Amino acid sequence: DAGVTQSPTHLIKTRGQQVTLRCSPKSGHDTVSWYQQALGQGPQFIFQYYEEEERQRGNFPDRFSGHQFPNYSSELNVNALLLGDSALYLCASSQRNTGELFFGEGSRLTVL
Amino acid sequence: AQSVTQPDIHITVSEGASLELRCNYSYGATPYLFWYVQSPGQGLQLLLKYFSGDTLVQGIKGFEAEFKRSQSSFNLRKPSVHWSDAAEYFCAVGSSNTDKLIFGTGTRLQVFP
Repeated sequence: DAGVTQSPTHLIKTRGQQVTLRCSPKSGHDTVSWYQQALGQGPQFIFQYYEEEERQRGNFPDRFSGHQFPNYSSELNVNALLLGDSALYLCASSQRNTGELFFGEGSRLTVL
Repeated sequence: AQSVTQPDIHITVSEGASLELRCNYSYGATPYLFWYVQSPGQGLQLLLKYFSGDTLVQGIKGFEAEFKRSQSSFNLRKPSVHWSDAAEYFCAVGSSNTDKLIFGTGTRLQVFP
């Protein structure tokens, strides 16, 4: 049983560019959440997707957007990248509101 | 305000010694509590969770944690640490009607032979 898979694992962008990160949830899960983990910090909640709609959102600007597809996979998009967006982006899947998340290994974004 | 505090940024123990990592939380609803472990460059692995019932919960890799409502704490313990336990440990709080977890800033565990 494959767990949560994310791609790409590493990427480098320059300020002002746009990035798309992808996530496939664990089999049987219908909800995907995205977290940002800056260096030396704990993960911070960005948003959650269920039934192809954003259901909850953390304290992140509109430059951060997402999408969920009918097969429950998800994308995280970040526009107009800033140096401060450099972080490990973690995807977590769950069965909605069970409170138990399974995390992928993350996509490490470096913004130069 | 909802928050999780892990007062110890960095802990060093000798292999075979006992371990306790502290976690305090502030949360308005009935809390779900979690401990995750993260090895360098990796994602988060769930060690254990508390939803309700017995306040002493057992997890993987020989870890346990005790929920103390009166102290708003959920400390992680292990009786004998192995070198492979060296990693970053995160405490998190959530609830039954959300998948939004609030994480602490983590405790880095270093194990000496």
